[in-house]
Amino acid sequence: AQTVTQSQPEMSVQEAETVTLSCTYDTSESDYYLFWYKQPPSRQMILVIRQEAYKQQNATENRFSVNFQKAAKSFSLKISDSQLGDAAMYFCAYRSASGSNYQLIWGAGTKLIIKP
Amino acid sequence: DAGITQSPRHKVTETGTPVTLRCHQTENHRYMYWYRQDPGHGLRLIHYSYGVKDTDKGEVSDGYSVSRSKTEDFLLTLESATSSQTSVYFCATRYGVMEKLFFGSGTQLSVL
Repeated sequence: AQTVTQSQPEMSVQEAETVTLSCTYDTSESDYYLFWYKQPPSRQMILVIRQEAYKQQNATENRFSVNFQKAAKSFSLKISDSQLGDAAMYFCAYRSASGSNYQLIWGAGTKLIIKP
Repeated sequence: DAGITQSPRHKVTETGTPVTLRCHQTENHRYMYWYRQDPGHGLRLIHYSYGVKDTDKGEVSDGYSVSRSKTEDFLLTLESATSSQTSVYFCATRYGVMEKLFFGSGTQLSVL
């Protein structure tokens, strides 16, 4: 069975600086998707970024980028120029490319604190 | 974002009582999901639906049932609530081949 591990329960960063959140996963599959979701205090889950395993190029979305290391089964999220609005819980998630039920396997989350 | 409304937003109930949570969407998305979120566990899938009257179990389905009689509504029922079902419940939808999940704002359920 697949698992997703976020080893940092909490991280803090100074506003305008860069922070990296870690995520590792375990799978025997070769084709899958990885996601980072943000959950602000409003509680609503928001997709931050997505990576297809068959793509070697790391995904980027404005200030958010990932470091996808397939062999190491690592999928870290880098947030550049941190802003107060980035404060939230961040969840890493895995989804197999096979099957039709779209079941996501979620990590336990990392709480990101932004210091003004 | 998709119009997903969960009701109620908060509920307190007693052990042994039935509880129904509602998810309503206005986007005509085919797929709908119920998750629960507990500290240290991230989100765990309870049940999902891939169409009207088509549902299936997720990884933590014991003690829960669902129904989907209309595209826009997906109900989650706790037949006899237990304290272990105290959690935040999220509904999510997905449209066809698009990979993105859209989430509601969650229901905080406390079972005393």
